[in-house]
Parts: sequence; structure tokens; C-alpha cells
Amino acid sequence: QVQLVESGGGVVQPGRSLRLACVASGFIFSDYGMHWVRQAPGKGLQWVGVISFDGRNKYYGDSVKGRFSISRDTSKNTVYLEMTSLRVEDTAIYFCAREDRQGLVSWLDPWGQGTLVMVSS
Amino acid sequence: QSVMKQPPSVSGAPGRRVTISCTGGSSNIGAGFDVHWYQQFPGTAPKLLIFANNNRPSSVPDRFSGSTSGTSASLVITGLQADDEADYYCQSYDSSLSAVVFGGGTKVTVL
Repeated sequence: QVQLVESGGGVVQPGRSLRLACVASGFIFSDYGMHWVRQAPGKGLQWVGVISFDGRNKYYGDSVKGRFSISRDTSKNTVYLEMTSLRVEDTAIYFCAREDRQGLVSWLDPWGQGTLVMVSS
Repeated sequence: QSVMKQPPSVSGAPGRRVTISCTGGSSNIGAGFDVHWYQQFPGTAPKLLIFANNNRPSSVPDRFSGSTSGTSASLVITGLQADDEADYYCQSYDSSLSAVVFGGGTKVTVL
């Protein structure tokens, strides 16, 4: 079945870097764009960014632009989120999600279980 | 602050109908970008509930329905059940922000 499994979360000091990974299975990874979405403790969902199916196009939310970078490795069925210059406000559960699509319309399905990133000194 | 506004909470008795609103603007829902809805139980990942305004994945019961009108969207739950207690989020695309946007989320409580 289609599955996404995130890893790489943990506790990190402000200003440091961290790389998250999301391993996909059960579908043709190279056919789909992949998103990262985060959720701060007790808060709502916030879009982080997306990478296109072929890795050529990447877009980011304003709060992470210039600090976070998304990449993908088709040979490993994995999408990565490289986070630099981390701030306390980046503390959140980070979810990866597959971009499902019909024509020009796209949505997120399924989602991984998430990995917790805590930025604290 | 979320670009799309949802009521923080709604509640209803078992068997009743509840409606969750999602109010956007001219650069997202009003511009014709589709709305999608997700259901999230505490401690779990969001799950797709409605896609492309009013379409249900095959696993979602027909008690859940979606609609859009102007700059707003709505999620309706009929025949409310105890296991519908969850957080619900709307999602669309905003052309001014060039970003995927979510509503702030609505907690549904079954009385």
C-alpha cells in the first residue's frame, strides 16, 4: 500500500541545521510531486514547500524561504527537507505528503506519520 | 494568521448536521482554486476527506460533503457520530502568495 515514513527529527539548538527524510513506497515515486507541511504544538497546519515530480521546480512558504531546501533522490524513493538557521518558531511536527492530481487540480494524499523537530537551547 | 478563516470549533448532538465554513478571498477560493478538506485526530497525521471541492475518496462515507460559493467553502457532516470528533482543515492555493494555504482548523465536538 502507499506509505510515507519520515525520519530525522530531534532536538537541535537555534541556528543549527537538520535534515529530514521521507521514504516513499507503494507507488511510482518519480511520477509525483512531494510536499512538506508542519504543525507547531497545539497549532494548525502550515505549508513548508513542494518539489516537483522531476525535482526541477521547488517552491517554499515565506517563513522558510532562504533557510529550508527540498530535494529528492529517485534511486532511494526519498524526499529530503534540509533545514538551516533553525529558529525556536520552527519547532513542529513535520509531515511529508504526496501530491495527488487531476489535471491542474492537486491535493495532498497520503501523509506520513510526521517527525518532531524541537528547536531549543 | 491563516489566509483562510475557519471557526475554531463547532459542535452538535449525535445524528445532527454540522457545517464548517472556510472563508477565503479573491486570490484563492474566489479565484477559482479548488478547496480540499482534511480530517485529523489527535496525535495522528491529517487524512484527505474531500478533494476538488466536492469529491470524496472511496473510503470516506457519504455523510461528508463539500461545496464552494464565491470566496467561501463549506464542509457538511450529516448524521454526526462520536468518532467524527476531530480537527478539520480546508486547503487551497493562493495566487498572491504563490503558496498552498490552509485554514486555521475547526475542532468538531459531538455533544
